[in-house]
Amino acid sequence: AQTVTQSQPEMSVQEAETVTLSCTYDTSESDYYLFWYKQPPSRQMILVIRQEAYKQQNATENRFSVNFQKAAKSFSLKISDSQLGDAAMYFCAYRSVRSGAGSYQLTFGKGTKLSVIP
Amino acid sequence: DAGITQSPRHKVTETGTPVTLRCHQTENHRYMYWYRQDPGHGLRLIHYSYGVKDTDKGEVSDGYSVSRSKTEDFLLTLESATSSQTSVYFCAISEGGTSGNTIYFGEGSWLTVV
Repeated sequence: AQTVTQSQPEMSVQEAETVTLSCTYDTSESDYYLFWYKQPPSRQMILVIRQEAYKQQNATENRFSVNFQKAAKSFSLKISDSQLGDAAMYFCAYRSVRSGAGSYQLTFGKGTKLSVIP
Repeated sequence: DAGITQSPRHKVTETGTPVTLRCHQTENHRYMYWYRQDPGHGLRLIHYSYGVKDTDKGEVSDGYSVSRSKTEDFLLTLESATSSQTSVYFCAISEGGTSGNTIYFGEGSWLTVV
């Protein structure tokens, strides 16, 4: 079974600065998807960014980018020019691409609470 | 926003009573999921469905049952609610397949068992 570990329960960043959230995972599969979800106080789960394991290029979405190190099984999220609205819980998640029943479900880490200091 | 509606959004119930949470989607996606979120545990999969009348257990399925009689609806039932089932419940959907691997979440249902 896959596991996802987020080793930083809480982090803080000054507004306009850059912060990196860590995520490692364990899998025996060679192809999979990785995700970062943001959960603000409203508790809505919002997709931030996704990465396909077969792609070497790191995914980027505006101020959000990832550092995907497949051999190290590491998937960190970098937030540039941090804004007050970035304050939230951030969850790293893994998804298999195996076909058939039982596939496509997400395995989550326990989350990192990010605070943004004005 | 993904067309996912959860009901009820908030519920307080007594120990031992049955409770049903409903998830309704307008996206015609094949896969539907129920997760629960608890402090220190992130989100954990309860049950999921890969088609009408096709369901399977997730990581924390004990005490829960599900049904899917239509593509758009996925029901989660707590047969006899316990205090350990106090949680936030999230429904999620995905299209599946190589072009639909993103999972989208509903807004959550807060359940308190007293």
